[in-house]
Amino acid sequence: EAGVAQSPRYKIIEKRQSVAFWCNPISGHATLYWYQQILGQGPKLLIQFQNNGVVDDSQLPKDRFSAERLKGVDSTLKIQPAKLEDSAVYLCASSSRRGDEQFFGPGTRLTVL
Amino acid sequence: AQSVTQLDSHVSVSEGTPVLLRCNYSSSYSPSLFWYVQHPNKGLQLLLKYTSAATLVKGINGFEAEFKKSETSFHLTKPSAHMSDAAEYFCVVSDEQSGGSYIPTFGRGTSLIVHP
Repeated sequence: EAGVAQSPRYKIIEKRQSVAFWCNPISGHATLYWYQQILGQGPKLLIQFQNNGVVDDSQLPKDRFSAERLKGVDSTLKIQPAKLEDSAVYLCASSSRRGDEQFFGPGTRLTVL
Repeated sequence: AQSVTQLDSHVSVSEGTPVLLRCNYSSSYSPSLFWYVQHPNKGLQLLLKYTSAATLVKGINGFEAEFKKSETSFHLTKPSAHMSDAAEYFCVVSDEQSGGSYIPTFGRGTSLIVHP
């Protein structure tokens, strides 16, 4: 079974630039999560999808972050414009059922200069 | 509102000695609880989960955790540490919210250091 795929693995940008991350969950997993993990901290949930609908985005900074999951499969997370404090690892995870075990991708390490 | 407190940011043990990583949670209902491990430069991996069945949960690599509702705790243990156990460990609570959604909350993590 293929795992959760993410790209790119690394990204370096200047502040005020935009960036996008892509995630392909495990086939058949209806629930998809995006997390932000700042160095030395636990992952913080940014947004959760159930199929192509948003379940929770209460911690997503909506003035600069956006996410979509078209057709209930792949998802993209965008930051526009980026700030220095957005430097973090962005993790994507999926699960077959809400509240169940999550399978994580390798993450995208973003550095904002 | 749910929350997770991992009581130690770092735990240092010698190889072959027991491991105890502490986790306390706050939840309004009957939560699902998880422990995940993150090895350096590797993805997060599930160690074990509690979902209202047996209170003593066995996981991979010899780890286990006991759900104690009266103490709101879900501590992770292993009888004998191995060098390969050195990693970051996260306790996670996932509680059903109004509307039927489950929102997972991670603790800040505990770094396990294993000395030869």
